[in-house]
Amino acid sequence: NAGVTQTPKFRILKIGQSMTLQCTQDMNHNYMYWYRQDPGMGLKLIYYSVGAGITDKGEVPNGYNVSRSTTEDFPLRLELAAPSQTSVYFCASSLGQGEYEQYFGPGTRLTVT
Amino acid sequence: QQQVKQSPQSLIVQKGGISIINCAYENTAFDYFPWYQQFPGKGPALLIAIRPDVSEKKEGRFTISFNKSAKQFSLHIMDSQPGDSATYFCAASKKGGSNYKLTFGKGTLLTVNP
Repeated sequence: NAGVTQTPKFRILKIGQSMTLQCTQDMNHNYMYWYRQDPGMGLKLIYYSVGAGITDKGEVPNGYNVSRSTTEDFPLRLELAAPSQTSVYFCASSLGQGEYEQYFGPGTRLTVT
Repeated sequence: QQQVKQSPQSLIVQKGGISIINCAYENTAFDYFPWYQQFPGKGPALLIAIRPDVSEKKEGRFTISFNKSAKQFSLHIMDSQPGDSATYFCAASKKGGSNYKLTFGKGTLLTVNP
């Protein structure tokens, strides 16, 4: 099993550009999450999904959109990129809720200039 | 409102020493407290977790101590090794219902000097 994979690893965007961060898991997990990590700020939940076709906002959803058409894939869309979206983005998945372990991908480092 | 407060922000320990990282939470509904370990350039990975029905959980050199009345929990790393150098995040969640999201602390950068 590859676990949780993310592409790309690095990306530089100009202000106002759009892009999609890809996330795929091969563990048949229903729950998937997108976090952003900023230095000294921990991990902030952007969006999450409890299954195909079901998504909901997390703590910091503004400027982002998600979709979940399959169990495996959970892409994160950035529309009109802003410097404040410069961050490291992590996708995660879990088998269940609450006390189930979340498995994280390797992250995407995004810079918006 | 920061629901999980973690300290210190950074910690330097000599090889063989004890590393201690502390977390405090506010929401008494939290009932699951994991610690995640993150190496540079990698995603976080679950290290150890505790439920509030026990006061301590030990896995090898890693121990979680939990104080329900004080709403605090801590990670102790015994005989710290340079390979333990990483960022450590405490987190909390509550089971049941639809609230399964993890709330993370801000992280502690641990450096273990050889």
